[in-house]
Amino acid sequence: DTGVSQDPRHKITKRGQNVTFRCDPISEHNRLYWYRQTLGQGPEFLTYFQNEAQLEKSRLLSDRFSAERPKGSFSTLEIQHTEQGDSAMYLCASSLGQTPSYGYTFGSGTRLTVV
Amino acid sequence: AQSVSQHNHHVILSEAASLELGCNYSYGGTVNLFWYVQYPGQHLQLLLKYFSGDPLVKGIKGFEAEFIKSKFSFNLRKPSVQWSDTAEYFCAVIQGGSSNTGKLIFGQGTTLQVKP
Repeated sequence: DTGVSQDPRHKITKRGQNVTFRCDPISEHNRLYWYRQTLGQGPEFLTYFQNEAQLEKSRLLSDRFSAERPKGSFSTLEIQHTEQGDSAMYLCASSLGQTPSYGYTFGSGTRLTVV
Repeated sequence: AQSVSQHNHHVILSEAASLELGCNYSYGGTVNLFWYVQYPGQHLQLLLKYFSGDPLVKGIKGFEAEFIKSKFSFNLRKPSVQWSDTAEYFCAVIQGGSSNTGKLIFGQGTTLQVKP
């Protein structure tokens, strides 16, 4: 297992379309986090899972956003009716436990461009 | 709400110069502190972290940081930078103790450009 994988790396979509991103964490990691990063800013927390349970959602996550982690393995983040303001890098991170001694392992992200 | 502030948005240094990047956080309780680096086109990588104990922590690639609780600060330092240190640097904090959810709060980042 080489790390956290995210797919796709880049996504260009038209405004109003739905998009879905996938994150495959490190296999033994029970925690999975989604962050959003816009240009010139640090990553902002969106939501996280412990196993299959979604434990917290940020206020940034409007009703158009939904995330799942079936069976506590990979996770998907779906954005419905995309808007130009959704254009950002979407990052996934995983960990074993809530404050791992090694930090968190981040994926390379999915860059979304809404045109 | 908890927040992290990085004072320098863009730093330009010549090789061999010393580096110090400022980071302040707002939470008054127990915190866990991190510095992450993002090289161009790559994912976030952990440079160093502070959980407890010696407030001077050493990380990879010659970086170190000092936790000063009274100043709510966790500044990153390196005595002599190299061209390969050109990257974006992020300070991050986790609220510790019983309120710990494990979510990172990031600063807005500092872009470091090292001139050869």
